[in-house]
Amino acid sequence: SAVISQKPSRDICQRGTSLTIQCQVDSQVTMMFWYRQQPGQSLTLIATANQGSEATYESGFVIDKFPISRPNLTFSTLTVSNMSPEDSSIYLCSVTSGSTSTDTQYFGPGTRLTVL
Amino acid sequence: AQTVTQSQPEMSVQEAETVTLSCTYDTSESDYYLFWYKQPPSRQMILVIRQEAYKQQNATENRFSVNFQKAAKSFSLKISDSQLGDAAMYFCAYRSGGGGADGLTFGKGTHLIIQP
Repeated sequence: SAVISQKPSRDICQRGTSLTIQCQVDSQVTMMFWYRQQPGQSLTLIATANQGSEATYESGFVIDKFPISRPNLTFSTLTVSNMSPEDSSIYLCSVTSGSTSTDTQYFGPGTRLTVL
Repeated sequence: AQTVTQSQPEMSVQEAETVTLSCTYDTSESDYYLFWYKQPPSRQMILVIRQEAYKQQNATENRFSVNFQKAAKSFSLKISDSQLGDAAMYFCAYRSGGGGADGLTFGKGTHLIIQP
C-alpha cells in the first residue's frame, strides 16, 4: 500500500482564518479523497480529487469553504477557509492507486484541527 | 444513497475471547465492496478486511473474519483470540463497485474494549 503523509499533524487556529492541509503520497495515485471526522463521530467524505480536473464535492460541502488542489499524481491540498469552531475536526486524506473497482482506500495519519 | 449502520456503540471482550461486531447496510446496487477499518487512539485508519459483494466466500485475515449475508445486507466482523492491541474504534464502510473513483460511506463506529 502507498505511504501517505499529512502536514500539519495538528494545529490550533483562530476563527476567521484559513488553514491549508497537505497530503503527500510516496507513489503516483489516481484518486485522492478528503474526509472529515468531527469529534466522536465517523468519517464523512468531503470531496474527491482527480489529477488535472476539478474536485468533486459531496452534498453539504462547497468549494468556497474547502478548496482543493491536485497539481500532480502524488500531492493534494485541502484548505479550510474562514474557519469557525464547528470546523474543529480531524481531516484525513485517502488514496486509491488504480482505476479498477477492486482498489482499496488507504488513509493518511490525519490532521487534527482545533478552531478557537 | 447508501447507508451503513453499526448498532453497537461499544463492545467489551475479555482478552483471548472472541467478539463479533455488527454492521448492516442499505443499497440498491448489486456491485459493491465492504470494508472494516480500525482506528486506534493514534487516529490512523487501518484496513482490517475487505469483502467483494460478488464473492460468496467470506473474507478472512488471520484472526479476523467476516460473516457476509448479502440478502440480509449484513456484514459482521469476528475477532478471534482478542488481543490488547485490538482495542480501537472499528468502522464498517461501503463503496460502490462502479470504480476506484468512489468514496467510502462509513458507519458510526463501534468502540471495542479489551479486558485483560
